[in-house]
Amino acid sequence: NAGVTQTPKFRVLKTGQSMTLLCAQDMNHEYMYWYRQDPGMGLRLIHYSVGEGTTAKGEVPDGYNVSRLKKQNFLLGLESAAPSQTSVYFCASSPTTGELFFGEGSRLTVL
Amino acid sequence: AQSVTQLGSHVSVSEGALVLLRCNYSSSVPPYLFWYVQYPNQGLQLLLKYTTGATLVKGINGFEAEFKKSETSFHLTKPSAHMSDAAEYFCAVSGTSYGKLTFGQGTILTVHP
Repeated sequence: NAGVTQTPKFRVLKTGQSMTLLCAQDMNHEYMYWYRQDPGMGLRLIHYSVGEGTTAKGEVPDGYNVSRLKKQNFLLGLESAAPSQTSVYFCASSPTTGELFFGEGSRLTVL
Repeated sequence: AQSVTQLGSHVSVSEGALVLLRCNYSSSVPPYLFWYVQYPNQGLQLLLKYTTGATLVKGINGFEAEFKKSETSFHLTKPSAHMSDAAEYFCAVSGTSYGKLTFGQGTILTVHP
């Protein structure tokens, strides 16, 4: 059982480039989330989805877009990367009981 | 709105000693409370959670936490630390039954031989 899988695991971008992070879950969870983790700041919610075809903004949505075209996938896009977006990105999914299941993270560096 | 404050960004204990990681929360609705652990270069794993009912919650690896509404606290404890407990621990709160969680800043636990 793979759980939550994130690709890619590492990426280096130049300022202004675009990229997409892919999250896939095989647990049939309705809810999916994208968080970013920065030292001393814990995890901050970027965007989330409560079901296929739905998305909503979290705490720090600026500079990011998301899509949930299929229930099992949740994509996070950066249209024009900035050095402030250097971070570790975590995808998570949850059933209705509130427990989050996390992927292993995607480490992004923007030069 | 919810918020979480973890007291102490670093905690150091000796192997076999009591582990106490402090968490205080703020929530405008009855909270759902969680503790997660993160080992280096890995994602977060759930240690335990409080939703409703018994205020003393037992989790994996011998950890437990007590929900104290009057103190708005959810401190994490373990009677005897093990070297394998060294990791970063995150407290989180949600105001809903699904996991739109707000996380604290994290506490790095170091265990000395």
